[in-house]
Amino acid sequence: EPEVTQTPSHQVTQMGQEVILRCVPISNHLYFYWYRQILGQKVEFLVSFYNNEISEKSEIFDDQFSVERPDGSNFTLKIRSTKLEDSAMYFCASSEWDRNTEAFFGQGTRLTVV
Amino acid sequence: KQEVTQIPAALSVPEGENLVLNCSFTDSAIYNLQWFRQDPGKGLTSLLLIQSSQREQTSGRLNASLDKSSGRSTLYIAASQPGDSATYLCAVPYNQGGKLIFGQGTELSVKP
Repeated sequence: EPEVTQTPSHQVTQMGQEVILRCVPISNHLYFYWYRQILGQKVEFLVSFYNNEISEKSEIFDDQFSVERPDGSNFTLKIRSTKLEDSAMYFCASSEWDRNTEAFFGQGTRLTVV
Repeated sequence: KQEVTQIPAALSVPEGENLVLNCSFTDSAIYNLQWFRQDPGKGLTSLLLIQSSQREQTSGRLNASLDKSSGRSTLYIAASQPGDSATYLCAVPYNQGGKLIFGQGTELSVKP
């Protein structure tokens, strides 16, 4: 069964460092998303991506964040200068289309900023 | 602004019981509602997607219902098993782009 894959599963980084989280969405899907979940809190939307551009972003997704689809399969989230409060589980998701179709999530990357 | 709430926050039941998890949303103009399962420290596994035009959706021992007018969905789990222990999340798309708004989840524990 097709699945969304994320790497790495766990990343520890020092405050101020850049991190890149990687995702391979399901191959025939057109919409891609990043969400995050701070420990004990709700899953919250960061950004959606369609047709090689950001279609929507949340208030959390400031200038420190960027997304890219560098080739036909990968979808990345970059945090330029990590802060302690960026520590969270980051989930990539994809859907075949937009609001009417099922979203599939990856297993997540646990980011720990020290 | 869409808000999604799940009650109860935690539930503990003995094995074999049938149980109901609740999800409510403030804006009834939804396209669909999706239920997910999350194991500790793991990703989200999609369980059921119920479209706004549907009243129910079933998958194995799971049955999801949707009442748009009252802003509610329920997830019914029949004959619960210890392997059902996890956090169950509901989510609705907020706009055309498919951005999901999540509830805080119900942590289910099924005791052998």
